[in-house]
Amino acid sequence: GPKVLQIPSHQIIDMGQMVTLNCDPVSNHLYFYWYKQILGQQMEFLVNFYNGKVMEKSKLFKDQFSVERPDGSYFTLKIQPTALEDSAVYFCASSPTGGGAETLYFGSGTRLTVL
Amino acid sequence: GDSVTQTEGPVTVSESESLIINCTYSATSIAYPNLFWYVRYPGEGLQLLLKVITAGQKGSSRGFEATYNKETTSFHLQKASVQESDSAVYYCALGDSTGYQNFYFGKGTSLTVIP
Repeated sequence: GPKVLQIPSHQIIDMGQMVTLNCDPVSNHLYFYWYKQILGQQMEFLVNFYNGKVMEKSKLFKDQFSVERPDGSYFTLKIQPTALEDSAVYFCASSPTGGGAETLYFGSGTRLTVL
Repeated sequence: GDSVTQTEGPVTVSESESLIINCTYSATSIAYPNLFWYVRYPGEGLQLLLKVITAGQKGSSRGFEATYNKETTSFHLQKASVQESDSAVYYCALGDSTGYQNFYFGKGTSLTVIP
């Protein structure tokens, strides 16, 4: 089936540094999402993105977070500066259209460790 | 609020035994909830197992079934006879038909099937 690729699978950085998580969504999909899962907790919605704009974001999507998809390439999540509480697994997802009945296609996640 | 609660894992069953993973939801701000089961196999991203968008309907896939019960706000996942290849993490999710879709995920239930 369609695949979403996330690069890298694991990243370790020092607190205060910038990090960019990359996602290669399914090629004909139009909606893109980031979710965050802290170990032992629910996977929680961060943001969704369509037509070059953030459509919705949660309270977890702090001012230090930003997303973009320049030139239709990777869909990226940037955190600048990072904090210890940003340590989590970040999942990217895409879907052909928006809406709460839509199927999301997920990547395998990027484990971010902030030291 | 809107949330999903599912069976705490890990769950271990023997091959050919039956399985039920419980899922209940709270949809206080969602007028028309959609319900999903996703599965994550080792090293892969979440993938849709089944979904039901109409209350009272049953979804099925790969021998798994789940019925959307609005009265009990439940969407339990069942399989009559599990196989070793069913070992994975299962996520129940709630979606909002009328929004740009914020999905609410359960914590996930890790299933190990012993041959």
